[in-house]
Amino acid sequence: RKEVEQDPGPFNVPEGATVAFNCTYSNSASQSFFWYRQDCRKEPKLLMSVYSSGNEDGRFTAQLNRASQYISLLIRDSKLSDSATYLCVVAVGGSQGNLIFGKGTKLSVKP
Amino acid sequence: DTAVSQTPKYLVTQMGNDKSIKCEQNLGHDTMYWYKQDSKKFLKIMFSYNNKELIINETVPNRFSPKSPDKAHLNLHINSLELGDSAVYFCASSPNPWDRLNEQFFGPGTRLTVL
Repeated sequence: RKEVEQDPGPFNVPEGATVAFNCTYSNSASQSFFWYRQDCRKEPKLLMSVYSSGNEDGRFTAQLNRASQYISLLIRDSKLSDSATYLCVVAVGGSQGNLIFGKGTKLSVKP
Repeated sequence: DTAVSQTPKYLVTQMGNDKSIKCEQNLGHDTMYWYKQDSKKFLKIMFSYNNKELIINETVPNRFSPKSPDKAHLNLHINSLELGDSAVYFCASSPNPWDRLNEQFFGPGTRLTVL
């Protein structure tokens, strides 16, 4: 089983749609969780951290279910500029900054 | 001002050559990383240095040797390049690797092609 698994997509959605990405992780000792965004031929950038209670940042909502080892990202009212690959990232507990990246889910928002 | 910079941006070379990639960060961070993103877009950590000391060394061929002359720089030297080394190499930095909500800042990447 891969350490961090994501549906690779692509997800092709119209502007204004709501889209949800899911991610599962295998290491139950994982302590921190993130969503990074990577535009085509660019570097990954932090989108948001994921907290146990769930958190929201504008149109973006992240949820964590530790029991199921499952992370989600919801994007509401999607914009053309949301087109990118979304990387689910897990920090292994106790390790010095060791981030485990999923392969990413590609989102394409069309007019 | 570029926070994490890498040179070169593109590197095309022949099999068997030795090459280096340089990374510099001006964020004042203590920790720097090298990642490899292969053709399948899978991003995997290779090395991490904290204050010039190696703290993460994943299973990477010993042809790859990182060097950190100071905490703002982390260079990657690759000996005897192979076809499978073709990938995008990202440098990253973070303030403190032991902070659980630690954000990592990535450089623009170096696209290495081995012919």
